[in-house]
Amino acid sequence: NAGVTQTPKFRVLKTGQSMTLLCAQDMNHEYMYWYRQDPGMGLRLIHYSVGEGTTAKGEVPDGYNVSRLKKQNFLLGLESAAPSQTSVYFCASSTAQVGNQPQHFGDGTRLSIL
Amino acid sequence: GQNIDQPTEMTATEGAIVQINCTYQTSGFNGLFWYQQHAGEAPTFLSYNVLDGLEEKGRFSSFLSRSKGYSYLLLKELQMKDSASYLCAVREEGGATNKLIFGTGTLLAVQP
Repeated sequence: NAGVTQTPKFRVLKTGQSMTLLCAQDMNHEYMYWYRQDPGMGLRLIHYSVGEGTTAKGEVPDGYNVSRLKKQNFLLGLESAAPSQTSVYFCASSTAQVGNQPQHFGDGTRLSIL
Repeated sequence: GQNIDQPTEMTATEGAIVQINCTYQTSGFNGLFWYQQHAGEAPTFLSYNVLDGLEEKGRFSSFLSRSKGYSYLLLKELQMKDSASYLCAVREEGGATNKLIFGTGTLLAVQP
């Protein structure tokens, strides 16, 4: 019962390098989200997707791109990493039949930019 | 604007009861969620309120007053494993996106 799986779990980058964070969910959820969590700031939405092939900006989208080519996967890209992007990144998914259905979170990716 | 306020830290004693408050000012309201997050782990869902009143789930209860923009999470018979951050989150819109706005979280320390 995997739920939401994020890879990698840890990564250290140098300023200017690029990388992609992968999120995979096996719950057949329509909606997927990328957040960053920083001390004292709470979870902030970067980008989200309401279905395969669709993406939209969240609260803090600058410096990030996303793609949702398959329903089960949501990729977060950093084209040119900056120290300000050092953070813990969480992916989440939810069903479109929202009601009392929560978002389900992955275990996070801890990213350090030097 | 959007604003969700929670106390930054709280301390309580094992076996006691603790109430964690959350006040919100958002452009819309379509439900409030509470999550628990242990250090270094993912947030996990605890409770959901969309109508005024109390929802009880074992040792945990959550209350909502929409007119006051206020919710609280009540934890009874505290255990050491309840030491964690508790996140309040509001869903502003209907089902089109299920986007949530999170508060900064309340770090609860349970002492023996």
